[in-house]
Amino acid sequence: DGGITQSPKYLFRKEGQNVTLSCEQNLNHDAMYWYRQDPGQGLRLIYYSQIVNDFQKGDIAEGYSVSREKKESFPLTVTSAQKNPTAFYLCASQLAIGSYEQYFGPGTRLTVT
Amino acid sequence: GESVGLHLPTLSVQEGDNSIINCAYSNSASDYFIWYKQESGKGPQFIIDIRSNMDKRQGQRVTVLLNKTVKHLSLQIAATQPGDSAVYFCAENLAPQGGADGLTFGKGTHLIIQP
Repeated sequence: DGGITQSPKYLFRKEGQNVTLSCEQNLNHDAMYWYRQDPGQGLRLIYYSQIVNDFQKGDIAEGYSVSREKKESFPLTVTSAQKNPTAFYLCASQLAIGSYEQYFGPGTRLTVT
Repeated sequence: GESVGLHLPTLSVQEGDNSIINCAYSNSASDYFIWYKQESGKGPQFIIDIRSNMDKRQGQRVTVLLNKTVKHLSLQIAATQPGDSAVYFCAENLAPQGGADGLTFGKGTHLIIQP
């Protein structure tokens, strides 16, 4: 059963702690993305990766970090430097950068208090 | 940079009626457009896509229309059902692979189906 998974669905952290969100895909897609979504808002791009061992900053990368050591995995770390980390985080994958559908995971809702 | 936007943030329709959700884009170099449906607390789901060499594409109960002259995209949903209630996003990709950071998303329209 092919798809993209994110875990956990809900995550709670204390302010000042780093937290890592998981994203895995078995679609054999080259490109992967992380978006942030705030209530009633659209998707804002945090980081993206076109290929293993390469990634680029999106529009709101400050306070976040990523790695792409394997094709199927693209974890996102929300660091303590992120001033407003509470949000819904969405991971997506795409066959390749370009005119193709992006497949989204179910999302992780992060709450930092 | 240029971005995709939507005309109406909320659209309320009667169950059984047809819905039309609109999207304006400003980049004439975009060659691929896609509509997503997002239910509350879930990730966006693909509905339908269209390439710039087409002006209409139909799926099951959905039709996407592309008017490149006025840079306008619309999603028509026929005979709306309660399960159609969701936020609908349009997105575009620059041609040929100029969208190095992937798709550009609009803010979304919340479709509410009244019983």
